[in-house]
Amino acid sequence: SQELEQSPQSLIVQEGKNLTINCTSSKTLYGLYWYKQKYGEGLIFLMMLQKGGEEKSHEKITAKLDEKKQQSSLHITASQPSHAGIYLCGAERLGLVFGKGMKLTVNP
Amino acid sequence: EAGVAQSPRYKIIEKRQSVAFWCNPISGHATLYWYQQILGQGPKLLIQFQNNGVVDDSQLPKDRFSAERLKGVDSTLKIQPAKLEDSAVYLCASSSPRGSGYTFGSGTRLTVV
Repeated sequence: SQELEQSPQSLIVQEGKNLTINCTSSKTLYGLYWYKQKYGEGLIFLMMLQKGGEEKSHEKITAKLDEKKQQSSLHITASQPSHAGIYLCGAERLGLVFGKGMKLTVNP
Repeated sequence: EAGVAQSPRYKIIEKRQSVAFWCNPISGHATLYWYQQILGQGPKLLIQFQNNGVVDDSQLPKDRFSAERLKGVDSTLKIQPAKLEDSAVYLCASSSPRGSGYTFGSGTRLTVV
């Protein structure tokens, strides 16, 4: 079974809408990373969360870490077509262990 | 700061052929990783190097995959012989000891036909 479960698996939204992606771990989280990926390309670092309750924001993206629930969420406010891509969460282990990713489509 | 460099960008080979991928990490990053990402999946760690030593290669299919990191800088990942199921994006990443995160290269997209 997958150590990191991401939900939803895919999402289609209209430009301007808000959305939230979740990442739930079956094991204790010591560090949680969020990356964005364009199809077939490398991973672009978004944010890293290390402490329970930590929340970070960059432009219109906010990520939170709930250590007790072993869960992280990524929230995008007023989505734009440039936000489209695959969002991956990764847990700090020996290297990173990733979820399957969440494919986001933003329609203009 | 230059990023993680990977080449080639794309490769198409026939099954049973061999192929090699190259990675040059960020200068000063002691730890280097190779990941395999099959379409629709998240990246899966194949091997981790610390300088020129292997830290973890438990998920590397050693009957056909090999990797080396000479002099603790550049690294090469080889597949010989390739199978259809090896079609994937191969990502290289590096990190520094101070835990500043992981930087990924653009990847090599391998298609085995």
